[in-house]
Amino acid sequence: AQTVTQSQPEMSVQEAETVTLSCTYDTSESDYYLFWYKQPPSRQMILVIRQEAYKQQNATENRFSVNFQKAAKSFSLKISDSQLGDAAMYFCAYRSARMNRDDKIIFGKGTRLHILP
Amino acid sequence: ETGVTQTPRHLVMGMTNKKSLKCEQHLGHNAMYWYKQSAKKPLELMFVYSLEERVENNSVPSRFSPECPNSSHLFLHLHTLQPEDSALYLCASSQVQGGTGTEAFFGQGTRLTVV
Repeated sequence: AQTVTQSQPEMSVQEAETVTLSCTYDTSESDYYLFWYKQPPSRQMILVIRQEAYKQQNATENRFSVNFQKAAKSFSLKISDSQLGDAAMYFCAYRSARMNRDDKIIFGKGTRLHILP
Repeated sequence: ETGVTQTPRHLVMGMTNKKSLKCEQHLGHNAMYWYKQSAKKPLELMFVYSLEERVENNSVPSRFSPECPNSSHLFLHLHTLQPEDSALYLCASSQVQGGTGTEAFFGQGTRLTVV
């Protein structure tokens, strides 16, 4: 069974600085998707960034980028120029690219990110 | 503005009540999900409807009953709940086609309190 592990329950970063959130996962599959979701206090889960496992190039979305290490099964999120609005719970998630009967997205436990003014 | 709408946003119910949570997606997706989010626990997938087929999670108590009348609507019927069922219930949808799924889009959730 696939698992997703986020080893940092909480992190803090100074506004305008850079922070990296860690995520590791375990799977025997070769084709899959990885995601980072953000859940601010409003509770809305918002997709931050997505990575296809078959792509070697790391995904980027403005100030958000990932370091995808497939062999190491690592998928970290880097937030550059941190802003107060980045304060939220961040979830790393995995989804198989193979459609099967119990299709699901597997989430880590989350990392709460605090932005210090 | 989200493409996935959940109602109600907040619900307080007694243990003997029957209530339903509603989810509607306007994204043309063909898969819908119910997740439970409790404090200090990871997101728990409860139910999946994918390509109009229900996939059950056997660990979900029978006091939770899903219904998916069409690809745009999903309900979670609740009856004789327990206080430990108090949580945030999140609905999500995604597009599953040709063996390749995509990311899920979430609603804002229903905060359920069982008293």
